[in-house]
Amino acid sequence: EDQVTQSPEALRLQEGESSSLNCSYTVSGLRGLFWYRQDPGKGPEFLFTLYSAGEEKEKERLKATLTKKESFLHITAPKPEDSATYLCAVRGQETSGSRLTFGEGTQLTVNP
Amino acid sequence: DSGVTQTPKHLITATGQRVTLRCSPRSGDLSVYWYQQSLDQGLQFLIQYYNGEERAKGNILERFSAQQFPDLHSELNLSSLELGDSALYFCASNPGLTQGGNEQFFGPGTRLTVL
Repeated sequence: EDQVTQSPEALRLQEGESSSLNCSYTVSGLRGLFWYRQDPGKGPEFLFTLYSAGEEKEKERLKATLTKKESFLHITAPKPEDSATYLCAVRGQETSGSRLTFGEGTQLTVNP
Repeated sequence: DSGVTQTPKHLITATGQRVTLRCSPRSGDLSVYWYQQSLDQGLQFLIQYYNGEERAKGNILERFSAQQFPDLHSELNLSSLELGDSALYFCASNPGLTQGGNEQFFGPGTRLTVL
C-alpha cells in the first residue's frame, strides 16, 4: 500500500525566510510524485510532477526535488501570498487505475 | 481555473437523506476521479471512471455510488447520509493515459454539511 508522510505539519516563516517542506513516501514502483497547493476551502492546484530520483523542477519561488525515498519543496524568499497548505501525492505502479495517495499536507504561513 | 467544474458549491442536508454531486471534467479529459477531504483524514480517493467505465475503487462506502455519462460528466450519489459524511468532495480529471504519472486537475469542490 502506498504511503505518504509530510513534515512539518505546520510551518510559520517570515517574509524572505527560505525553508523546505519534506515528503517521505513508500510506493511500489513510483509512477509519479506530485506537489499541489491548496488554499482554504478551494481545490488543490497542481504545481509539479517528478518521475525519477535526481529530477528537479522550478516555478517562481518554488523548487521541487526527488530522491528514492523523499521529495523536498524548497521555498526561496517566500512572500505572504505563498501561504497555503502544500500537498504531496504519489502514484504507484501497482495502483489500480491512476489513483493518487496524498499526504496530510504542510500548512505554510508567511508573515509580512 | 483548472477547467473542472463542480456543482453545487455548498449543500446542506439532514441525516438519512440522499444527494447528488455533479462534475464536468476539462475539455478532452476522459478520466474523472472523486476524492473526499475531511478535517481528520485529508484527501481520500473514492473512485475513478474512464470513458464511462469504472476503473478503480478506493475506500468508498456502499452508500455511495458514482457514474460517468456519455458526455463524460460524472455524478457522485451519497445516500442514507450520516453526520460523518460532512466533508469537501472534489472531482479531478485528466486525459487518462495508462502510462506515466500524469497529474490530475481538481475542481473547486462541493462542501457537504449533514445536520
